[in-house]
This record gives sequence, structure tokens and C-alpha cells, in this order.
Amino acid sequence: GAGVSQSPSNKVTEKGKDVELRCDPISGHTALYWYRQSLGQGLEFLIYFQGNSAPDKSGLPSDRFSAERTGGSVSTLTIQRTQQEDSAVYLCASSFDSGNSYEQYFGPGTRLTVT
Amino acid sequence: RKEVEQDPGPFNVPEGATVAFNCTYSNSASQSFFWYRQDCRKEPKLLMSVYSSGNEDGRFTAQLNRASQYISLLIRDSKLSDSATYLCVVNNAGKSTFGDGTTLTVKP
Repeated sequence: GAGVSQSPSNKVTEKGKDVELRCDPISGHTALYWYRQSLGQGLEFLIYFQGNSAPDKSGLPSDRFSAERTGGSVSTLTIQRTQQEDSAVYLCASSFDSGNSYEQYFGPGTRLTVT
Repeated sequence: RKEVEQDPGPFNVPEGATVAFNCTYSNSASQSFFWYRQDCRKEPKLLMSVYSSGNEDGRFTAQLNRASQYISLLIRDSKLSDSATYLCVVNNAGKSTFGDGTTLTVKP
């Protein structure tokens, strides 16, 4: 079946512009996660959506970052007034949370470059 | 102190070697545990879940020690294709924390 998809795969933007990154999770998965990974670094948690519950936004680095998930499916991560330090790969993952199982499946990521 | 800590390596081993990675976590309420592998410039892929009783998948064996709060991954008979970064993941009520990864290079 189809995996997690993300678009665009690459995005180059000028400092100060807003960007929107999209994630289509695996059909039927109730949870959706956003992470970012800078070159040579580990994954940094950004935000977690689970069903109809309020999202866990504890990882968002500043109020320039926001995310929404419409209809329990597609999610959009928005970065306003981008800065050069926002340059990273933004990864989306989804999972079917059942009991204690939270196996996450990742999309290919969006490589964001802020010039 | 990080919530999830891994030895970054790198581990450089010859083909056929056995190699083990450890990962420690600080939150004793953590419920689920996983190992992922990440190839260079690719997304992480689930390698295996880690169960309390330990589990094996071919050449890979994962162990969990809740008392000492660590998990381990053992790779037997290493192949060139095992070269990657291995990420330890700890989940508590849905929220996952990833270790920074251990890099393995298997050489001919």
C-alpha cells in the first residue's frame, strides 16, 4: 500500500518568507508526527497529533512554527518568516496507535533551504 | 542529560562480525521501544520493536532491561548492507524520543 508522502521534496526560500510543508499519512493511521533533522544531527520532535485530541506542540521551537491536521488526515507544517537556522530536513511520520504500539512510518522528508 | 542516549560510534567492523549497541533512557514510565535504521540522506525505517521478553528477527536480536533502563541491539554475521545509523526510540503515551544514533560501518 501507499506509504507516507510529503511535498515538496525540496524547497529553497529566501529568509523572511513563509513556507508550507505537506504530509499525507498512511490511510487509517490515527497519529501523525513532525520532526526535523539538521545535517549530521539527530531527529528533533516538533509536534504530535493523535486522533481528535489536542496536539502535543511541546517541540515547536518558536511561535513562527505551526501545524494543523485537517479531517484527521493530511497535515501542513507552516513556518513563518523563515530564518537560516530553519534549514533542515522536515520529516513526517504516521502510526496506527493500538495499545502500546506506536510503530512510526516515515515519509521521505522535505529538504528546506533558507537562503 | 538527554532522555535517550546512545554511543555515537562510529563502529567499524569486518563482515561477519557480531556487534552490539546499547541505548539508555531516563523516563521510567516509557512504554514502547524500537530500533530504526537510517541510511545516509534517507528517512528512518523501522527495524524492529523491542519487547520485554526480548525478540529476534533473523540476524538481529533486541533486548529490553526495564530495571536498568536500557535497550540493546545485537547484529550477528554483519553484512556490508548493515552499514547505517541505528536509532534507538523510546515512546511514552504516544510521544517518541529518538536517540542521536550509532553509526555502523561494515567493511569487506
